[in-house]
Amino acid sequence: GQNIDQPTEMTATEGAIVQINCTYQTSGFNGLFWYQQHAGEAPTFLSYNVLDGLEEKGRFSSFLSRSKGYSYLLLKELQMKDSASYLCAVMDSNYQLIWGAGTKLIIKP
Amino acid sequence: GAVVSQHPSWVICKSGTSVKIECRSLDFQATTMFWYRQFPKQSLMLMATSNEGSKATYEQGVEKDKFLINHASLTLSTLTVTSAHPEDSSFYICSQRGGEPYEQYFGPGTRLTVT
Repeated sequence: GQNIDQPTEMTATEGAIVQINCTYQTSGFNGLFWYQQHAGEAPTFLSYNVLDGLEEKGRFSSFLSRSKGYSYLLLKELQMKDSASYLCAVMDSNYQLIWGAGTKLIIKP
Repeated sequence: GAVVSQHPSWVICKSGTSVKIECRSLDFQATTMFWYRQFPKQSLMLMATSNEGSKATYEQGVEKDKFLINHASLTLSTLTVTSAHPEDSSFYICSQRGGEPYEQYFGPGTRLTVT
């Protein structure tokens, strides 16, 4: 079966750095996505990794290791507005997105 | 990126009635749209894939006679929840695929509450 695992909840302090991990087992792989979702809103795209390595985009970076079935999202200089759920999703061989349950990130001042 | 709108953004209806949710692509012709459902504190669950001019493809466990999908044009797909029940209360989100297979753009979502 297809499976994506990520922690249910994490807490971090404003100004700090947090790493949200995601492991996956899917039938085929056409890339891994990270989305941010604030309560009551639709997901917004953060990053897309299809090759191994680190992709940096401002305060957010995403890493992928296909051989390990592993990715992480790194958030630097945390701000209160970063409090949200972060969804890991993998596009399988049929180009369908398989979603993780999401990690709720709580930022404390 | 493409802009996708949904209407209504929220709706409250009585049990047994039907509700139609519209998903519009504002600046892109979408041959394929996706309908998701999200229950509180859970992730997105794909309900069906809507293909312009043909029947939708439903995921296992989703009743096609209850969740009617119509993709009549390249810019509009509709989801009708028929004979709604309180357990259908959820956040419904549509998305469309962009020019590349890995591009997907989400609508703002529709909050359905069935009383």
